[in-house]
Amino acid sequence: DTGVSQDPRHKITKRGQNVTFRCDPISEHNRLYWYRQTLGQGPEFLTYFQNEAQLEKSRLLSDRFSAERPKGSFSTLEIQRTEQGDSAMYLCASSLGPELKLFFGSGTQLSVL
Amino acid sequence: TQLLEQSPQFLSIQEGENLTVYCNSSSVFSSLQWYRQEPGEGPVLLVTVVTGGEVKKLKRLTFQFGDARKDSSLHITAAQPGDTGLYLCAALGLNAGKSTFGDGTTLTVKP
Repeated sequence: DTGVSQDPRHKITKRGQNVTFRCDPISEHNRLYWYRQTLGQGPEFLTYFQNEAQLEKSRLLSDRFSAERPKGSFSTLEIQRTEQGDSAMYLCASSLGPELKLFFGSGTQLSVL
Repeated sequence: TQLLEQSPQFLSIQEGENLTVYCNSSSVFSSLQWYRQEPGEGPVLLVTVVTGGEVKKLKRLTFQFGDARKDSSLHITAAQPGDTGLYLCAALGLNAGKSTFGDGTTLTVKP
């Protein structure tokens, strides 16, 4: 097992376009988290799943954002009608159970022009 | 509202010096974690502290959780250039399933 994998590593898009990111967690981890990080700030919670159930969504997550985790394995994060303010590093993390030792992927750096 | 305040925001020191960075909050947490992040990568967990007053050592790094479980510190002895990075604290609330992160301390250790 090679850890949490995120794809793509970088994404450049034009304002108004839709983008989708993928995260493959560590295989035996049942929890999967999405965070967003901008320069000079810490990761900001977006949403998390336990198995296939989405248990919590941040109020910061507008209707343009949607996340799925079909079959409790990989997850996708979609942003519709991107805005320049969506430019950030999108981090995925997974953990086993409630101990919350988060294992992060390398992130997807999104630039909205 | 920022639940975790980290200080200082930036720290630049010479190799061999000692340093301490802090993570403070007005809230009580069930546990607190420290992560280190390098540019272009995700954070990597260094340690988890759970018990008030707990002290953990990881080579030259010493982590302490406050007695009231509201604050924590990270002390590095004889810093090396390889210690350069963003140090983040993250806290798990008493009834929450997620971790909340501070904005980090950016440490630069000059050779």
